[in-house]
Amino acid sequence: GENVEQHPSTLSVQEGDSAVIKCTYSDSASNYFPWYKQELGKGPQLIIDIRSNVGEKKDQRIAVTLNKTAKHFSLHITETQPEDSAVYFCAASIIAAGNKLTFGGGTRVLVKP
Amino acid sequence: GAGVSQSPSNKVTEKGKDVELRCDPISGHTALYWYRQSLGQGLEFLIYFQGNSAPDKSGLPSDRFSAERTGGSVSTLTIQRTQQEDSAVYLCASSPGTREQFFGPGTRLTVL
Repeated sequence: GENVEQHPSTLSVQEGDSAVIKCTYSDSASNYFPWYKQELGKGPQLIIDIRSNVGEKKDQRIAVTLNKTAKHFSLHITETQPEDSAVYFCAASIIAAGNKLTFGGGTRVLVKP
Repeated sequence: GAGVSQSPSNKVTEKGKDVELRCDPISGHTALYWYRQSLGQGLEFLIYFQGNSAPDKSGLPSDRFSAERTGGSVSTLTIQRTQQEDSAVYLCASSPGTREQFFGPGTRLTVL
């Protein structure tokens, strides 16, 4: 089955700096890659996603890049703010196979004011 | 609009008891997923519904776990004869189609 590795496990950045989280996946058939943000005591919140026919997607301060050949994808957050502090999860799935998500281990991001 | 809701938000039970966890998906969402989040195992898939049928139960950890969905809406996850290793946050997500999944707040289950 699919295996998703996520790095780093923790990330501390100064407010205003950029944060980058990287994930690799094992199943070349995976074609959907969402990113979730989870705050304490809440469920994961979808922040951005990308499909395998796209190499990059941007939404305001958040961008995701996908390298299908290398089987890795990354989340980039620019101009970080204290409210960006949370745990971020990457995931991968095969849409036609029910779209069940396989998650990475998570990255705890702390933005220091 | 209303998001995915789950009840109860917290459940404490004794080892060996049965528990039922409920998920109310976003209205009109045809797909429904259950995941489990624990310190040791991270976020893991349990079961997936398309309408009322469950084409993929591959993530259920044992036959003590079962789930059903009625009317293409509400779903119930049942754990029989609970064990301490069942302690986790159980998350439900719904999807309007084949892509975005929207998660509920979860039910924190503690088995004493």
